[in-house]
Amino acid sequence: DTGVSQNPRHKITKRGQNVTFRCDPISEHNRLYWYRQTLGQGPEFLTYFQNEAQLEKSRLLSDRFSAERPKGSFSTLEIQRTEQGDSAMYLCASSLGGLGNEKLFFGSGTQLSVL
Amino acid sequence: AQTVTQSQPEMSVQEAETVTLSCTYDTSENNYYLFWYKQPPSRQMILVIRQEAYKQQNATENRFSVNFQKAAKSFSLKISDSQLGDTAMYFCAFMKPPYSGGGADGLTFGKGTHLIIQP
Repeated sequence: DTGVSQNPRHKITKRGQNVTFRCDPISEHNRLYWYRQTLGQGPEFLTYFQNEAQLEKSRLLSDRFSAERPKGSFSTLEIQRTEQGDSAMYLCASSLGGLGNEKLFFGSGTQLSVL
Repeated sequence: AQTVTQSQPEMSVQEAETVTLSCTYDTSENNYYLFWYKQPPSRQMILVIRQEAYKQQNATENRFSVNFQKAAKSFSLKISDSQLGDTAMYFCAFMKPPYSGGGADGLTFGKGTHLIIQP
């Protein structure tokens, strides 16, 4: 087990393009979270999954954002019609879930730059 | 909604000194979890220490310990014998327990404290 894996590490795109990020959680972790972090700020919650079910979405997640977790394994986060304000680090985290297992393990993130 | 406040944007100490990072939070929950995460320049978020609100005993992990004051809603991190590798952003975070209702929105983070360990 090598921890939470995120791809790509960096993404540069032009405004208006669509981008997709991938997250592979720690195996057997049934909870998966997406966060966004801008420079000088703490991460902000976007959405989370329990297995394949998306249980909560932040108001930060506009209609241009969509996340999936088919089969409860890896997850993808897609941003459509990117805007310059979408430039940020997108962090994925996973946890085993359940009482006593509330520890989130983070990936290295995907740094998005929208030109 | 929960809020987490870290009032020290930056701190600097000499190597081997002890440093305390402050964190306060606001919540109406009785049971919850508190965390300190470290984010070095690589930007990888690393769990430093975790505290369960229903436990009165302060958590410790080697050189890292917390002072948890539930009534005051305060959760400070003490780093003893600081090392150059401790230089990083430190984030305090709050989490409701799962299945507590009203949505389990993962961690709520503070804005962080940039800790610099000087040689």
